[in-house]
Amino acid sequence: DAKTTQPNSMESNEEEPVHLPCNHSTISGTDYIHWYRQLPSQGPEYVIHGLTSNVNNRMASLAIAEDRKSSTLILHRATLRDAAVYYCILRDSSSNTGKLIFGQGTTLQVKP
Amino acid sequence: DAGITQSPRHKVTETGTPVTLRCHQTENHRYMYWYRQDPGHGLRLIHYSYGVKDTDKGEVSDGYSVSRSKTEDFLLTLESATSSQTSVYFCAISVRTGGVETQYFGPGTRLLVL
Repeated sequence: DAKTTQPNSMESNEEEPVHLPCNHSTISGTDYIHWYRQLPSQGPEYVIHGLTSNVNNRMASLAIAEDRKSSTLILHRATLRDAAVYYCILRDSSSNTGKLIFGQGTTLQVKP
Repeated sequence: DAGITQSPRHKVTETGTPVTLRCHQTENHRYMYWYRQDPGHGLRLIHYSYGVKDTDKGEVSDGYSVSRSKTEDFLLTLESATSSQTSVYFCAISVRTGGVETQYFGPGTRLLVL
């Protein structure tokens, strides 16, 4: 699976938008971009995924660059409960194992 | 939460003793996974299963074995626990929707090997 690069940490103020970047310059045509997050003392949870087009769901939005070499997870209004480690992961859609390779992720701090 | 439970949630054991962790799911999913999480390493895959009695190794499988005799249960065994296996262990299942797989994780088991 291709690798991703994320900043180690970011800070945000409560109720402001947060843009979490991810670089994946070696992404292949069959790789989906997945985002998971891990709240303190919990297991990771799925946030969103996309292939080429921007995606929205109730948790967040995913903006994918036209060349697909980078993407941005957008939290429209950060809350204190959004403080977590956010992981950007590439998943090969042609793989049938379902394995995920986690990097270090970005630790998001949300200040009141 | 995809009906995933892990037991025990916390365990303290001594070096050299066998330990078995259990992952239980209620929704008949085919794929199940065991990860460990350590400071500075993120989550790393230990073993996974793609069906009853079908398992394969992940990136950190040494010192661990797994078994899956029923769809709903995936067991992780440390045959002879070592201090380096002190970690938080997460079980996960994979759900395929529209050609895309998403993983759902259990609450984790904190294991301390003294």
